[in-house]
Amino acid sequence: AQTVTQSQPEMSVQEAETVTLSCTYDTSESDYYLFWYKQPPSRQMILVIRQEAYKQQNATENRFSVNFQKAAKSFSLKISDSQLGDAAMYFCAYRSPNGGATNKLIFGTGTLLAVQP
Amino acid sequence: DVKVTQSSRYLVKRTGEKVFLECVQDMDHENMFWYRQDPGLGLRLIYFSYDVKMKEKGDIPEGYSVSREKKERFSLILESASTNQTSMYLCASSSGQGVNQPQHFGDGTRLSIL
Repeated sequence: AQTVTQSQPEMSVQEAETVTLSCTYDTSESDYYLFWYKQPPSRQMILVIRQEAYKQQNATENRFSVNFQKAAKSFSLKISDSQLGDAAMYFCAYRSPNGGATNKLIFGTGTLLAVQP
Repeated sequence: DVKVTQSSRYLVKRTGEKVFLECVQDMDHENMFWYRQDPGLGLRLIYFSYDVKMKEKGDIPEGYSVSREKKERFSLILESASTNQTSMYLCASSSGQGVNQPQHFGDGTRLSIL
């Protein structure tokens, strides 16, 4: 069975600095999908960025980018120019290609990011 | 924008009560999900549904059931609530068209069982 591990329960970053959140996963599949979700305090969880495993190029969304290392089964999230609004719980998630149309996800345990002014 | 609405943000119930958590989505999504979120455990899938009247067990279905009578609505039922079901419950939906569709989440229901 696939697993997703986030080894950093909490992280802290200064405003305007860069921070990297780690995520590793375990799978025997070759083609899959990876996601980072953000859950601000008392607010809705939203998608930050996604990566298809067959794509070599790392995904980027504005200040958010990933470092996808397929051989190492690593999928880290880099936040550049951190802002106070980036403070949230961040979840890494894996989607198997065998899930069909159900889009079922496996989540990590989350990393709570604090942004210091 | 996709809107996933959970009927209550906060709910307090007593042990042994039958509890209903309701979730409605407005994007005609085929897939709907119920998770519970606990500190240090992340999100764990309770049940999901890929069509009306269809359901599948997730990773922790014990003590729960679900109902999907209409496409837009997915209900989570705690048949006889227990204190270990105190948790944050999240509903999500996603399109069944294509393999890379993201899940869209509701605001969550924080359920306390006394």
